[in-house]
Amino acid sequence: DAMVIQNPRYQVTQFGKPVTLSCSQTLNHNVMYWYQQKSSQAPKLLFHYYDKDFNNEADTPDNFQSRRPNTSFCFLDIRSPGLGDAAMYLCATSNRRNGNTEAFFGQGTRLTVV
Amino acid sequence: GNSVTQMEGPVTLSEEAFLTINCTYTATGYPSLFWYVQYPGEGLQLLLKATKADDKGSNKGFEATYRKETTSFHLEKGSVQVSDSAVYFCALSDWNTGFQKLVFGTGTRLLVSP
Repeated sequence: DAMVIQNPRYQVTQFGKPVTLSCSQTLNHNVMYWYQQKSSQAPKLLFHYYDKDFNNEADTPDNFQSRRPNTSFCFLDIRSPGLGDAAMYLCATSNRRNGNTEAFFGQGTRLTVV
Repeated sequence: GNSVTQMEGPVTLSEEAFLTINCTYTATGYPSLFWYVQYPGEGLQLLLKATKADDKGSNKGFEATYRKETTSFHLEKGSVQVSDSAVYFCALSDWNTGFQKLVFGTGTRLLVSP
């Protein structure tokens, strides 16, 4: 009964080759987030969607983009991955209808850049 | 801005020992406070939360009390198990911007030996 599902769990990509990570949710939450977590560091918010509204963090590099085609799915696109983009990428959801819920996280996708 | 400070790890304990992981925060307004746990290679799982001053969050034997006067949210467990070995993140949510942006501490690794 997984609620926030990230695919794949592990992704290897070549330096400079575009890569897409995916996230789906069965919670019908209206907010979806992407966090980047480098080794031994705290997760860092890249951006989030509030319904269809996209909100980018000020320090998120342009290399990172996101798409949310519907409520259930959200994608993270890295246009030209560099070695410094190797990290765990965490998708999360929360709900802001009739009150607020805490964030629910997926299991993450570990990205390796070679 | 908002921030969370956690004690540095690793914290190394023997099974059945008492655990305290310190967490203090700086925030405007009245944030909600969370403890998340991350097992090796996994995403974040919510361990417990507290949404207002003097609230106590508890789960799986872990407890933390929201102390506004000391701006703290220390995590405690009376008797740790080997299976509790993980990284623990203290976090707060920022309601001021209209969504639940999580600000994390740097994490504390707990190692429990038999």
